[in-house]
Amino acid sequence: AQSVAQPEDQVNVAEGNPLTVKCTYSVSGNPYLFWYVQYPNRGLQFLLKYITGDNLVKGSYGFEAEFNKSQTSFHLKKPSALVSDSALYFCAVRDRSTGGFKTIFGAGTRLFVKA
Amino acid sequence: NAGVTQTPEFQVLKTGQSMTLQCAQDMNHEYMSWYRQDPGMGLRLIHYSVGAGITDQGEVPNGYNVSRSTTEDFPLRLLSAAPSQTSVYFCASSYNRFANNEQFFGPGTRLTVL
Repeated sequence: AQSVAQPEDQVNVAEGNPLTVKCTYSVSGNPYLFWYVQYPNRGLQFLLKYITGDNLVKGSYGFEAEFNKSQTSFHLKKPSALVSDSALYFCAVRDRSTGGFKTIFGAGTRLFVKA
Repeated sequence: NAGVTQTPEFQVLKTGQSMTLQCAQDMNHEYMSWYRQDPGMGLRLIHYSVGAGITDQGEVPNGYNVSRSTTEDFPLRLLSAAPSQTSVYFCASSYNRFANNEQFFGPGTRLTVL
């Protein structure tokens, strides 16, 4: 069965410092991996995805993520955090070997960036 | 493009009542889905559709029905509301059924069942 773990409920970082939001996954086949962001009282917005190829994926708003197959991880990173990055972040996986019709989301990690 | 739209924005129901949550997209997307979001549990898939006339169950389908008569619309029906269905409901769509496509989300419907 597919699953996604986001081990931290909340991540606190000072503005200007690098940030990392962690994600590990479990699928029976090869994964497609996604990061989404949710601002208060809004729907989720797509940030970036890993499909194939380069393990370092760059996305919107300066975010990037690194796919690590051996550690089954897909951590979200940003070199310099902004207060406006404060939001709820979700990691998600689709298993391409089973058709990938179902997306499994992690529980979410709340990022708080302090000025 | 309006993207993915959902109505109503808020709804309060009494136990046992039925209602339909509306979802529409104007991007000619093939794939549409419904999720519920509960604190600490992320988003859980209720039902999805890979095209007009084709629907299937997700993780938590009990108590919900869907239909897809057109590409644009994907309503979610609560048959007999229960307090356990109090949640925020999101509709999403993606370009086609293939798993490498990201999803576009609507603004959500906040449902309370008393």
